[in-house]
Amino acid sequence: SQELEQSPQSLIVQEGKNLTINCTSSKTLYGLYWYKQKYGEGLIFLMMLQKGGEEKSHEKITAKLDEKKQQSSLHITASQPSHAGIYLCGAVEANSKLTFGKGITLSVRP
Amino acid sequence: GAVVSQHPSRVICKSGTSVKIECRSLDFQATTMFWYRQFPKQSLMLMATSNEGSKATYEQGVEKDKFLINHASLTLSTLTVTSAHPEDSSFYICSARDLRGTGPWETQYFGPGTRLLVL
Repeated sequence: SQELEQSPQSLIVQEGKNLTINCTSSKTLYGLYWYKQKYGEGLIFLMMLQKGGEEKSHEKITAKLDEKKQQSSLHITASQPSHAGIYLCGAVEANSKLTFGKGITLSVRP
Repeated sequence: GAVVSQHPSRVICKSGTSVKIECRSLDFQATTMFWYRQFPKQSLMLMATSNEGSKATYEQGVEKDKFLINHASLTLSTLTVTSAHPEDSSFYICSARDLRGTGPWETQYFGPGTRLLVL
C-alpha cells in the first residue's frame, strides 16, 4: 500500500503570509486528494489531482502534482485564520481505498 | 457538494456495551462507504469497506466480529462496536462515494465523525 509523508509536521505563519506544504509518496500515485480537517471534525474536500504536472486552484489554495506523480504541494496565498486546521493528503488506489498521510497542522496568527 | 451525515456525533458508553454508529449519504446514493478511525493527532486509518448488499471488507488487523458493518441500503451504512472497551475510544469517520462515479478517484465525501468514549 501507499505510504505518504507530509512535511512539515506543523506550521505557524503570520496572517497574510504565503506557505507551502508537501506530500511525498513512496510509489507513483494514481491520484491524490487534499483534505482539510478541523480537529475533532470531518474532512472537507479541497482538491483532487490525477495527472502528472497537474495544477488546480480554488480561491487562495493551489495544489500541484509533479510530473512523476510522487509528490504534491499545496500552496496558500495570503493566509488567513480561516485557513488554520489539519491538512491531509490521501492517495487513492485502484480499489478506491484512500491512504492518508499523518497530516500537517497549520496555525495562522492574526 | 454531497453531504454525508453521521449519528450520533458523540457517545459515551460503559465498557462491555455495544454502540451503533450510522453513516448516511443525504443527497446521493453510495454503493461503497468506508469506515475510518482516528486517534488524537494521528491520521485516519481505514478499518473497512462497506458494500451495499454484501459483506464488508476489513483491513488487516481489524476484528470483523468486533466491528460489525451493515450496508443495508444505498444511503445507509452502520458500524456497531460490540462489547466496547476503553481502547476502542476513538474518533470514527465514514466516507461515501457517489454511485454515479466512474473510477476509483471519484471524490469521497466524509461525514463529520463520531467521537466514542468508553468508560
